[in-house]
Amino acid sequence: DAGVIQSPRHEVTEMGQEVTLRCKPISGHNSLFWYRQTMMRGLELLIYFNNNVPIDDSGMPEDRFSAKMPNASFSTLKIQPSEPRDSAVYFCASSLFHRFGTSGVSTDTQYFGPGTRLTVL
Amino acid sequence: AQKVTQAQTEISVVEKEDVTLDCVYETRDTTYYLFWYKQPPSGELVFLIRRNSFDEQNEISGRYSWNFQKSTSSFNFTITASQVVDSAVYFCALRWRGFQKLVFGTGTRLLVSP
Repeated sequence: DAGVIQSPRHEVTEMGQEVTLRCKPISGHNSLFWYRQTMMRGLELLIYFNNNVPIDDSGMPEDRFSAKMPNASFSTLKIQPSEPRDSAVYFCASSLFHRFGTSGVSTDTQYFGPGTRLTVL
Repeated sequence: AQKVTQAQTEISVVEKEDVTLDCVYETRDTTYYLFWYKQPPSGELVFLIRRNSFDEQNEISGRYSWNFQKSTSSFNFTITASQVVDSAVYFCALRWRGFQKLVFGTGTRLLVSP
């Protein structure tokens, strides 16, 4: 089975340029997450979607960042304009989210893509 | 506050040694989920295990074992007879009921030399 697919794997761009990162979640998963990994801040959640709807975007650094999920099999993370401090590895992850009964107990495991290494010069 | 602490920044061992990676978590919720992920030098994040707060049973999978103790808020990971291929950064993560956000520790880099 195919895992989470991300493209491109590496991106080098110049400051001020627009960057678009792409993600295809695991087929059948209903939740999608964008994380960023840097040496200074570690792994941090940027935004996540349930059933294509953004649920929590509190981790998005600023208005230069935007994310969309037009359908269940595709999401984009866009940075416009890019800055050198955006250089990082961006991970996409997906999961199958359930709620069990009235207890609210849920079960899901997030599976990560290979990441996109972004370098902004 | 929800927090994961991995106090060991880097551990170096020689092949065939046993090694334990520590993870201490903080949460006010009574229902939560703990995870371990492996990040090899190639960079991807590989899921290893998930544990629910209501299941304190320890788990063994081959050379890997996990010890979950709610009394000390710890979820430690032991590799028995380590191998060079175990060299990676290992992350412990926490998620609590009602939220899907994973909070990660800072990771422990394990170096296994031949």
